[in-house]
Amino acid sequence: EAAVTQSPRNKVAVTGGKVTLSCNQTNNHNNMYWYRQDTGHGLRLIHYSYGAGSTEKGDIPDGYKASRPSQENFSLILELATPSQTSVYFCASGDGIQNTLYFGAGTRLSVL
Amino acid sequence: GDSVTQTEGLVTLTEGLPVMLNCTYQSTYSPFLFWYVQHLNEAPKLLLKSFTDNKRPEHQGFHATLHKSSSSFHLQKSSAQLSDSALYYCACYYGNEKITFGAGTKLTIKP
Repeated sequence: EAAVTQSPRNKVAVTGGKVTLSCNQTNNHNNMYWYRQDTGHGLRLIHYSYGAGSTEKGDIPDGYKASRPSQENFSLILELATPSQTSVYFCASGDGIQNTLYFGAGTRLSVL
Repeated sequence: GDSVTQTEGLVTLTEGLPVMLNCTYQSTYSPFLFWYVQHLNEAPKLLLKSFTDNKRPEHQGFHATLHKSSSSFHLQKSSAQLSDSALYYCACYYGNEKITFGAGTKLTIKP
């Protein structure tokens, strides 16, 4: 059974609309991450969290917000979606001292 | 600043030949280094990671050696297999809970 679950798996949004991507983990890991994957750029860190109630900016946070209401859940919020945010988004949880990441299956987002 | 560089975006090899994918990092700390592999339509998953001592990590025939003097963690395999075709990411954990990935290398193995 998947330990990191993302929803939805696919999403089509309109420019200017609000999008929320959800992530749930059953690993009981403190750290959680949101990355976007684009050809030529690899995996780029958007936001991450040390635990419930915390969110930190990653390398490309502009246009995104994050929310960590509990140990298990970490959401990525696009308040005003733009076509440049069309991408595949991966959520991951981190396992401790060396922080090996365990990824969800990804969400493919298209902003039209 | 902290960064990870993978110089090859695309690597194409014939089955049976050796594989070497380059990874260098820039850091003011002593980071942990990782290689992740992503097969088509799957999520990235850990392939191997550096140890704090001088052990050489190995998995599925792949190995990598952390060279602090050259800030490198190149991925190697003696003989490529068709199933090795995938996207490979080098990643760096700097100890501040932040993990940075390189741009990735797409490896294609041909018969």
